[in-house]
Amino acid sequence: EVQLVESGGGLVQPGRSLKLSCAASGFTFSNYGMHWIRQAPTKGLEWVASISPSGGSTYYRDSVKGRFTISRDNAKSTLYLQMDSLRSEDTATYYCATDFGYPLAYWGQGTLVTVSS
Amino acid sequence: DIQMTQSPSFLSASVGDRVTINCKASQNINRYLNWYQQKLGEAPKLLIYNANSLQTGIPSRFSGSGSGTDFTLTISSLQPEDVATYFCLQHNSWPMYTFGAGTKLELK
Repeated sequence: EVQLVESGGGLVQPGRSLKLSCAASGFTFSNYGMHWIRQAPTKGLEWVASISPSGGSTYYRDSVKGRFTISRDNAKSTLYLQMDSLRSEDTATYYCATDFGYPLAYWGQGTLVTVSS
Repeated sequence: DIQMTQSPSFLSASVGDRVTINCKASQNINRYLNWYQQKLGEAPKLLIYNANSLQTGIPSRFSGSGSGTDFTLTISSLQPEDVATYFCLQHNSWPMYTFGAGTKLELK
């Protein structure tokens, strides 16, 4: 059974940093692209960042470029999102998702990030 | 960027009704469209991939159609457990995915 479990969310002040993790199991993690998707309160879903299976290629939406860093540890089957210089508009539930099978076939339950003073 | 316009944003229907939800892409995305169901407090669940292929384990009352720019999700006979928010996703431009805004489906 595919499982994705996010952690690391919480309340953080504007300008500070937070690192999210996503522990994967039930598939060969190192073979598939991984993604972070977010959903602000009462808003729609928004793609944030993606990483290739090897970790050699990364992609970001414009609003997080230079502030967020996606990475992965294939030995630990874990995906990360380092979020720096956080803004109030980054407040959202962050989901990790995998391309195992099909694009964004499986998602985690999400972790809530609240950026507020 | 490819924009996805989803309609309606809210839908109220009775048990047994046929329900349709639409997504329109701002440019040709071939059949690179998925449909998801999200229940309150749960992770999104893939229902349909590549426009019309039913994900394993999903009831056959769910179906998808369309190609190019216009797509439809159909629930042939609405069940109480289908109350959820549904959204589409285009994956033509990997990995710059874009989502529809969602349709909240409730029972009448």
